[in-house]
Amino acid sequence: NAGVTQTPKFQVLKTGQSMTLQCAQDMNHNSMYWYRQDPGMGLRLIYYSASEGTTDKGEVPNGYNVSRLNKREFSLRLESAAPSQTSVYFCASSLTTGPDYGYTFGSGTRLTVV
Amino acid sequence: AQTVTQSQPEMSVQEAETVTLSCTYDTSESDYYLFWYKQPPSRQMILVIRQEAYKQQNATENRFSVNFQKAAKSFSLKISDSQLGDAAMYFCAYRSDGKSTFGDGTTLTVKP
Repeated sequence: NAGVTQTPKFQVLKTGQSMTLQCAQDMNHNSMYWYRQDPGMGLRLIYYSASEGTTDKGEVPNGYNVSRLNKREFSLRLESAAPSQTSVYFCASSLTTGPDYGYTFGSGTRLTVV
Repeated sequence: AQTVTQSQPEMSVQEAETVTLSCTYDTSESDYYLFWYKQPPSRQMILVIRQEAYKQQNATENRFSVNFQKAAKSFSLKISDSQLGDAAMYFCAYRSDGKSTFGDGTTLTVKP
């Protein structure tokens, strides 16, 4: 099925551990995004990639790094996980960064840092 | 920076009735788009409807319609003939410069 695929769906980490969240889209979209969603709050942008080879910080980039591996894949890395990074993480893609395009979202990764 | 405000954390509606979810935003841009996304308990975010700021005509998608008031910077979502499957969290989003800003969401409960 076409869309955005995120792995894993659930993860529990210990404080200080590292991990990478994977995201892949098969819609030939140029732009990809990582958001986090905390309880009672909307989605906050962590990083985005307007096109292959470019990445930019969003609203809450501290503690994260990203890699746009190719046009299809955009990964999010937590180098040293902290409890404050407990959240649901969503990857999204869009045909371009043009304002007329909505996002297609993955199903999210629920991350718990203990 | 743009901001999006959803002033109703929770709303409820009787099945088959109509409900309106509110959204206001702040921007100095003239060209932008507004969106409503639905997030059911499955957690999957789904695009419901979008509106271009330059279009005066309000967007409609089946039972979903918007009331876009550009001068007031208001963008409400009306759901007609509400169904049990409409129960979800709804997010209003603004987009102009390549990335979207989201409101905090409104949780909609549909009562049978």
